[in-house]
Amino acid sequence: DQQVKQNSPSLSVQEGRISILNCDYTNSMFDYFLWYKKYPAEGPTFLISISSIKDKNEDGRFTVFLNKSAKHLSLHIVPSQPGDSAVYFCAASEYNAGNMLTFGGGTRLMVKP
Amino acid sequence: ETGVTQTPRHLVMGMTNKKSLKCEQHLGHNAMYWYKQSAKKPLELMFVYSLEERVENNSVPSRFSPECPNSSHLFLHLHTLQPEDSALYLCASSQEQGRKAYGYTFGSGTRLTVV
Repeated sequence: DQQVKQNSPSLSVQEGRISILNCDYTNSMFDYFLWYKKYPAEGPTFLISISSIKDKNEDGRFTVFLNKSAKHLSLHIVPSQPGDSAVYFCAASEYNAGNMLTFGGGTRLMVKP
Repeated sequence: ETGVTQTPRHLVMGMTNKKSLKCEQHLGHNAMYWYKQSAKKPLELMFVYSLEERVENNSVPSRFSPECPNSSHLFLHLHTLQPEDSALYLCASSQEQGRKAYGYTFGSGTRLTVV
């Protein structure tokens, strides 16, 4: 049973517009959430994170929103650029679970020029 | 070198072969991980080493055997694999602070094909 789900396997967006990537989770013990970006033939790289005590975290063009009641988080990229085309993974960490991250299945973002 | 380095980048092996994947981190981190990425599936945690001690993962078949000789090196020994074990194997490291690691640094992965 997947505890972290990314229900959209792919997303296509025009350059300059907003990209919104969604992630749902089922484990109410998760208290820290991260987004990773992965290019082909490379390992995932850390993008942005949010603690459960917050509902928003912003870093440049990237903003992560957390809705704890809905067990939902989203990543907004504004404005989207062709270089943002990659697979984005949502991950979550559980209080008292030490180092382990649980990942979603990923969403492939394609930003068209 | 900096970051997390994995070798080899690509590996093709027969089902009767024995091979090893190597991971080295130059970040001074105290935790290391093996993840498996199969097509259209989430990243699956295989093994965790924290302060060079292994956290058991009972769902991983015994044909996969990890080894962590020190905090900078991690190996995954492979023997008698099956074709369904073909996947991208990712190593990661993190700095554990208290009970939490604030994100991983991943290597580029080893693309394994079992024939």
